[in-house]
Amino acid sequence: EDQVTQSPEALRLQEGESSSLNCSYTVSGLRGLFWYRQDPGKGPEFLFTLYSAGEEKEKERLKATLTKKESFLHITAPKPEDSATYLCAVRDQGAQKLVFGQGTRLTINP
Amino acid sequence: IAGITQAPTSQILAAGRRMTLRCTQDMRHNAMYWYRQDLGLGLRLIHYSNTAGTTGKGEVPDGYSVSRANTDDFPLTLASAVPSQTSVYFCASSDWQGKGYTFGSGTRLTVV
Repeated sequence: EDQVTQSPEALRLQEGESSSLNCSYTVSGLRGLFWYRQDPGKGPEFLFTLYSAGEEKEKERLKATLTKKESFLHITAPKPEDSATYLCAVRDQGAQKLVFGQGTRLTINP
Repeated sequence: IAGITQAPTSQILAAGRRMTLRCTQDMRHNAMYWYRQDLGLGLRLIHYSNTAGTTGKGEVPDGYSVSRANTDDFPLTLASAVPSQTSVYFCASSDWQGKGYTFGSGTRLTVV
């Protein structure tokens, strides 16, 4: 059974203080690891998809990396507008549906 | 604007009543999904449809039904609502490769 575990559950940083969010996963055959951002009262917004170990993708202050067992979302010099819940999900081979972790609630204080 | 439209945005429903949540996409995605999101439990898959005319059960299907008569619409029906179905419901869609996985803005349902 596919499993996704995100840590920490919540993270509070000062503006400019870089950190990383973790997503550990177990799948029989990975067909994509997805990162989403979710603001309160809204639907998840797509950030990245990673397909193979060693792959990296960047967008503004965010960089996602992937190994065979986990993915990291690195946040460099965050700003208050980066505050949100970040969701990780995996897609298994032979399936189109995603399995989600519980998310990390990130708060950036000015 | 291409995307997913969900309706209603929010609803308060008496227990035992029937309710259909609507979802329409205009991206011609072949796959569609319904998730519920509860505090501390994350997003859990209720039902999915890989293509028009087919549906499948997800992680938490009990008490819900779906249909997929065409590519664009994927309604979710609660036949007889119970308080444990109080949640935020998200519809999503993707292409056949699982790419372009897009979510709607959600329906907040309260069953009293």
